[in-house]
Amino acid sequence: DVKVTQSSRYLVKRTGEKVFLECVQDMDHENMFWYRQDPGLGLRLIYFSYDVKMKEKGDIPEGYSVSREKKERFSLILESASTNQTSMYLCASNSGTLSYEQYFGPGTRLTVT
Amino acid sequence: LAKTTQPISMDSYEGQEVNITCSHNNIATNDYITWYQQFPSQGPRFIIQGYKTKVTNEVASLFIPADRKSSTLSLPRVSLSDTAVYYCLVGDRGSNDYKLSFGAGTTVTVRA
Repeated sequence: DVKVTQSSRYLVKRTGEKVFLECVQDMDHENMFWYRQDPGLGLRLIYFSYDVKMKEKGDIPEGYSVSREKKERFSLILESASTNQTSMYLCASNSGTLSYEQYFGPGTRLTVT
Repeated sequence: LAKTTQPISMDSYEGQEVNITCSHNNIATNDYITWYQQFPSQGPRFIIQGYKTKVTNEVASLFIPADRKSSTLSLPRVSLSDTAVYYCLVGDRGSNDYKLSFGAGTTVTVRA
């Protein structure tokens, strides 16, 4: 079974703090993704990575950065957290040949106060 | 990605069959239809994918008519644990565009 794990289920941070969200997958997948999910807006792609040290902007990259130093790990960084970044953050991964079959982690509920 | 339209919500009772129809009028020749399921406080889970006619697995069936402008996800004999949001996605699974675009989905509520 594919397993995607995220470092925290719940996180509370203050405005202006730097926040790190970690994601690890154990299936040797090439691609990894970070989404946020908000009520009424569905899932929106923040960044994705198709290889180590490679990254591509998604639909809403502003205020975020990512890091992929190892194939199994993809980190999302909020440089200076703001209240409008309060959301559920979901990490996913897949093999390059399965574009629409993504495996998601359990999510991190981030609250910025 | 082709635009999709699906109902916002559906109610059902245990033991019934639930059918969720997704419209995708501008589906392209290379596009596949994919459905995800999301339980509360969990990430989405891939459940089924198809190109035409019918696909069945242990979770659901997917019916796609010849014109492929719509598709129907069928959940047989639902139970309370099938209460979830179901998302329909349409796109070219062989492309290098890996981005998934999830809309609001259909919230299915199963009652006892």
